[in-house]
Amino acid sequence: EPEVTQTPSHQVTQMGQEVILRCVPISNHLYFYWYRQILGQKVEFLVSFYNNEISEKSEIFDDQFSVERPDGSNFTLKIRSTKLEDSAMYFCASSEDRYSGNTIYFGEGSWLTVV
Amino acid sequence: LAKTTQPISMDSYEGQEVNITCSHNNIATNDYITWYQQFPSQGPRFIIQGYKTKVTNEVASLFIPADRKSSTLSLPRVSLSDTAVYYCLVGDQGGKLIFGQGTELSVKP
Repeated sequence: EPEVTQTPSHQVTQMGQEVILRCVPISNHLYFYWYRQILGQKVEFLVSFYNNEISEKSEIFDDQFSVERPDGSNFTLKIRSTKLEDSAMYFCASSEDRYSGNTIYFGEGSWLTVV
Repeated sequence: LAKTTQPISMDSYEGQEVNITCSHNNIATNDYITWYQQFPSQGPRFIIQGYKTKVTNEVASLFIPADRKSSTLSLPRVSLSDTAVYYCLVGDQGGKLIFGQGTELSVKP
């Protein structure tokens, strides 16, 4: 079964450093997403991406964050100047289409620890 | 965006059938109902999706009454490995899934 893959699985970084989380969405999918989950809390939407631009973003996704599809297979989330509160599990997801009824598939996550 | 309400937690024993009901009174005409399963430190995993009546796949069934204001996820003969958090989601607003707290299912031997 096709799956969304994410790297790294776990990253520890110092406060203030930049982090790039990488994702390879399912190959025929056109919509890509990032979600995050702080330990013990709900899964939260960050951003959706289609046709090389952001479709929608949450209030969490401020200027500290950026997304990019640098080539035909990767989708990245960059976090600039990390803060302690950025420590969370970050999930990449993808779907064929954006309408209700199209299943969104999640990766296994990248656990980011900011120290 | 339709809001969902589901029990915070449920307990069951191995081999039993588990039914988790979710209410979504404000579901829109075009909204589908999707259930995800999440194990600790893993990504949400798609279980089943439906629009109306009944949907069944190899792992679960989803029952949706005619008014679509609720839905019930049915897990037949659960095992210890089904211990997880189960989320009911309605609509996706272009990918902006809104997760609630989910139902924490605990399966005991």
